[in-house]
Amino acid sequence: SQTIHQWPATLVQPVGSPLSLECTVEGTSNPNLYWYRQAAGRGLQLLFYSVGIGQISSEVPQNLSASRPQDRQFILSSKKLLLSDSGFYLCAWSGATGSPGTRSSYNEQFFGPGTRLTVL
Amino acid sequence: KNEVEQSPQNLTAQEGEFITINCSYSVGISALHWLQQHPGGGIVSLFMLSSGKKKHGRLIATINIQEKHSSLHITASHPRDSAVYICAVRRGAGNKLTFGGGTRVLVKP
Repeated sequence: SQTIHQWPATLVQPVGSPLSLECTVEGTSNPNLYWYRQAAGRGLQLLFYSVGIGQISSEVPQNLSASRPQDRQFILSSKKLLLSDSGFYLCAWSGATGSPGTRSSYNEQFFGPGTRLTVL
Repeated sequence: KNEVEQSPQNLTAQEGEFITINCSYSVGISALHWLQQHPGGGIVSLFMLSSGKKKHGRLIATINIQEKHSSLHITASHPRDSAVYICAVRRGAGNKLTFGGGTRVLVKP
């Protein structure tokens, strides 16, 4: 069966410090991968998604970046955290159909346990 | 106006009551998802549907494409159903979901 892992589970970082959150998926190949953020009192917002290694699409301008160095690994990073980066970060995966260049997802998304980030 | 609106924002029910959560959207969609977020933050996908009705245990999801509306029903509610229920829509063949603001459900014993 497929599983998705995120770490760390919680993180407290000072403003201006770097960030690296990791997400890995097991039990599937060539998944679509997603990073979401849920700010306090707000809904989920898609930050990045990836249809393959090295292929990242950014949804909102911000000081965050994402990378996919391996098929089942998705990393969210920042060089300098802002107070507004605080929130609950969720990684998700979905199965995909089609070739890597035109891959689209018609399947459910499965979410990781999340990382709660507090920037002080 | 948000593309995906949920109502109510908060709902309190007594154990055993029938619960309905509504989701309206203003764009054309290819699929609609219902998600459940537990107090610890973890999210579980409950349903993905593009037409008609789906049932899983005590949960029922319906969608009316013409009216751009979906409902999630919980029959014989139980305190363990207490969670935030989130509606999300997918547009076209893309990979992106647009989320509603969620409905916080509390079921009292």
